[in-house]
Amino acid sequence: EPEVTQTPSHQVTQMGQEVILRCVPISNHLYFYWYRQILGQKVEFLVSFYNNEISEKSEIFDDQFSVERPDGSNFTLKIRSTKLEDSAMYFCASSGTSGGFVLNEQFFGPGTRLTVL
Amino acid sequence: ILNVEQSPQSLHVQEGDSTNFTCSFPSSNFYALHWYRWETAKSPEALFVMTLNGDEKKKGRISATLNTKEGYSYLYIKGSQPEDSATYLCARENSGGSNYKLTFGKGTLLTVNP
Repeated sequence: EPEVTQTPSHQVTQMGQEVILRCVPISNHLYFYWYRQILGQKVEFLVSFYNNEISEKSEIFDDQFSVERPDGSNFTLKIRSTKLEDSAMYFCASSGTSGGFVLNEQFFGPGTRLTVL
Repeated sequence: ILNVEQSPQSLHVQEGDSTNFTCSFPSSNFYALHWYRWETAKSPEALFVMTLNGDEKKKGRISATLNTKEGYSYLYIKGSQPEDSATYLCARENSGGSNYKLTFGKGTLLTVNP
């Protein structure tokens, strides 16, 4: 069964360093998302991406964050200068279409746990 | 209700017990309600997507209902098994726009004791 994959599973970085989190969405999906969960809190939306551009971003997704689909398979989240409060589990998700209609179901990857020291 | 809320926060049941938990959400601008099952170190697994008031969906021993007018959904597990132990997340999808973002509750952590 197709699945969303994410690498690495765990990333440890120093405050102020840049990190890139990588995701391979399901191959025929067109909509891509990043969410994150700070320990003990709710999973929260960061950004959605369609047709090679951001379709919506949350207040959390400030200038330190960027997303890119550099080729036909990868979808990346870059944090330019990490802060302690960026420590969280970051989830990538994707959703597809059928007959021109967007399907609701979002398929999630297993997450990347980012620890900022 | 301003946010998506889930109760209880955690639940311990014995194998064979049936159980249920609640998701409450704002009923305005509602489009769909999603339920996910999330085991530690694995991907959250989609269980149900429901859109219509009165919807009931079933997958094996797990079922869910939806009331969009009053803004709640119930998830039921019949005859719980240890492998049902997981965090159950619900998420609301708004109507309008083309972003399809999900707003999550905090989850209900279910532990099924053998």
